[in-house]
Amino acid sequence: NAGVTQTPKFQVLKTGQSMTLQCAQDMNHEYMSWYRQDPGMGLRLIHYSVGAGITDQGEVPNGYNVSRSTTEDFPLRLLSAAPSQTSVYFCASSYGGVIGNSPLHFGNGTRLTVT
Amino acid sequence: AQSVTQLGSHVSVSEGALVLLRCNYSSSVPPYLFWYVQYPNQGLQLLLKYTTGATLVKGINGFEAEFKKSETSFHLTKPSAHMSDAAEYFCAVSEGTGGGADGLTFGKGTHLIIQP
Repeated sequence: NAGVTQTPKFQVLKTGQSMTLQCAQDMNHEYMSWYRQDPGMGLRLIHYSVGAGITDQGEVPNGYNVSRSTTEDFPLRLLSAAPSQTSVYFCASSYGGVIGNSPLHFGNGTRLTVT
Repeated sequence: AQSVTQLGSHVSVSEGALVLLRCNYSSSVPPYLFWYVQYPNQGLQLLLKYTTGATLVKGINGFEAEFKKSETSFHLTKPSAHMSDAAEYFCAVSEGTGGGADGLTFGKGTHLIIQP
């Protein structure tokens, strides 16, 4: 039972570099999302997807891109990293589209530092 | 828009004492409410949820929460704290308008410290 798998676990980038955070789930969940967690800020939604080929913006989408070509994968791309993107990133998924009936399953996170 | 307020960024209790973590929410429609727990270097795990029906919700590890509409609260309690309960706890709300479009709105978290 892999659940939600995020890679890498740790990453250090220099300002201006690009990278992709990977997220894969093996539960056939339709809904997937990316959050960032910052001290004292809780979790904030970056982007989400309600199914393959469909993505939308969350609360803090600037500086990030996503795509959803398959049900299983939902990568998060940083096009030009900035120190303000230093954070812990969590991918989460749920069955179906209605959050109330199906709680989110979280990956273990990617800790990103931008210098 | 929905929002969540967790009172107290840090709560310290003695082992065996009552745990009370406070959560108040705002929502324009009847909400779905959740408590998640995060252990160090891990993702979040669902403790319990309220969707409809009984307002007292029991979760894992002996935790429970009561939905009080008149007080717009969803406080988390546990009668007797254990050292293994030390973690970060997040309250979250969803208006569940369908399609997961609103996602979850999280509180800023409460760090629970258990004193031996």
